[in-house]
Amino acid sequence: GDSVTQMEGPVTLSEEAFLTINCTYTATGYPSLFWYVQYPGEGLQLLLKATKADDKGSNKGFEATYRKETTSFHLEKGSVQVSDSAVYFCALSGSARQLTFGSGTQLTVLP
Amino acid sequence: EAGVAQSPRYKIIEKRQSVAFWCNPISGHATLYWYQQILGQGPKLLIQFQNNGVVDDSQLPKDRFSAERLKGVDSTLKIQPAKLEDSAVYLCASSSTTRLAGSYNEQFFGPGTRLTVL
Repeated sequence: GDSVTQMEGPVTLSEEAFLTINCTYTATGYPSLFWYVQYPGEGLQLLLKATKADDKGSNKGFEATYRKETTSFHLEKGSVQVSDSAVYFCALSGSARQLTFGSGTQLTVLP
Repeated sequence: EAGVAQSPRYKIIEKRQSVAFWCNPISGHATLYWYQQILGQGPKLLIQFQNNGVVDDSQLPKDRFSAERLKGVDSTLKIQPAKLEDSAVYLCASSSTTRLAGSYNEQFFGPGTRLTVL
């Protein structure tokens, strides 16, 4: 079945540091890939998505590129802010159009 | 546009008791999902509704969990009797049905109900 493996956390960075959170997936066919973010006390929000190979999703300074050859969708940001502190989930939507999530990565950004 | 509403936000019960959670999706969204998110894990789909019909409940523990979506709008998820391992956040999400070939309908999530079973 479909699965998503995320880099284990927690991750602690200083403000303005570079962020990478690794994500790899297993799925049949051509899934769509997503990053969701969960801020403290709030629901999950879609951060960015990519629907086909080599697509780059981007939002709020975050980027991720759909790499079919390595089955990866790593999340990056060049300069993190304290307000980026949250839990980040990688997810995929396969042929059943249902979301399969990774286990999440807790990011804490220190001032 | 109002988001997905859920209540209660927190619930503490003892094992073997019953509990119910309520979800009101975004107006006009025909598809509704219930997820279980255990601490340290990603959300896991329990059940998916399309209007008032069940699309997928393959991961719903039907011996103790039940869900309904009468009239195709609000939904209720019930656990009876609860076990310690049911402690989790229960998330409701909704999406529209307008679908283009190959597209994905974004799921919008509510804030969740945090259940603690003692």
